[in-house]
Amino acid sequence: GAVVSQHPSRVICKSGTSVKIECRSLDFQATTMFWYRQFPKKSLMLMATSNEGSKATYEQGVEKDKFLINHASLTLSTLTVTSAHPEDSSFYICSAREHGHGNEKLFFGSGTQLSVL
Amino acid sequence: GESVGLHLPTLSVQEGDNSIINCAYSNSASDYFIWYKQESGKGPQFIIDIRSNMDKRQGQRVTVLLNKTVKHLSLQIAATQPGDSAVYFCAENPNSGNTPLVFGKGTRLSVIA
Repeated sequence: GAVVSQHPSRVICKSGTSVKIECRSLDFQATTMFWYRQFPKKSLMLMATSNEGSKATYEQGVEKDKFLINHASLTLSTLTVTSAHPEDSSFYICSAREHGHGNEKLFFGSGTQLSVL
Repeated sequence: GESVGLHLPTLSVQEGDNSIINCAYSNSASDYFIWYKQESGKGPQFIIDIRSNMDKRQGQRVTVLLNKTVKHLSLQIAATQPGDSAVYFCAENPNSGNTPLVFGKGTRLSVIA
């Protein structure tokens, strides 16, 4: 199956700093990627849909100025958590869909555990 | 609508037994369903999928059953192994095309050796 690479896998930062998370589709092109957030023992919550070459679409309640998404190429989307605070600590996961022949599977990155001190 | 549970239900199964994990989906227009396995600290891994024009699909040691009448999906794991211990999520595609999947609340499977 398709491979989605997410980096870093874990980051610890001080409150007020910004953190960038990268999501790459390694062997396919992804015009659309999705960013999810997951709290411990909870399900995945969609944050935003990242579209190559255009603005991301954010879910209700997700601050677009807080969570900056850039999808500059067909294989890379980045999520930047700006001015991070302890309440931003969470597991962030990106995903991308491989298109073709009606294939709608979403492939996920390995996730990034963000801890804000 | 999106179903996000407050608590993860847990299923404990003896090694070697069969496991059945259930999921209720919300949108009768959904035409594609997937089961994912998520181990601690990792992203979800694809297990098996099924389209709405089918009611059963089998993979290696796994079977997915779809009952559109009651909007119910199940994942059956045969001869459960310790490595199957994880959280399992069902997901539905509420619209055809490039739309995000909607995830169920998840079930934690614990395999007792």
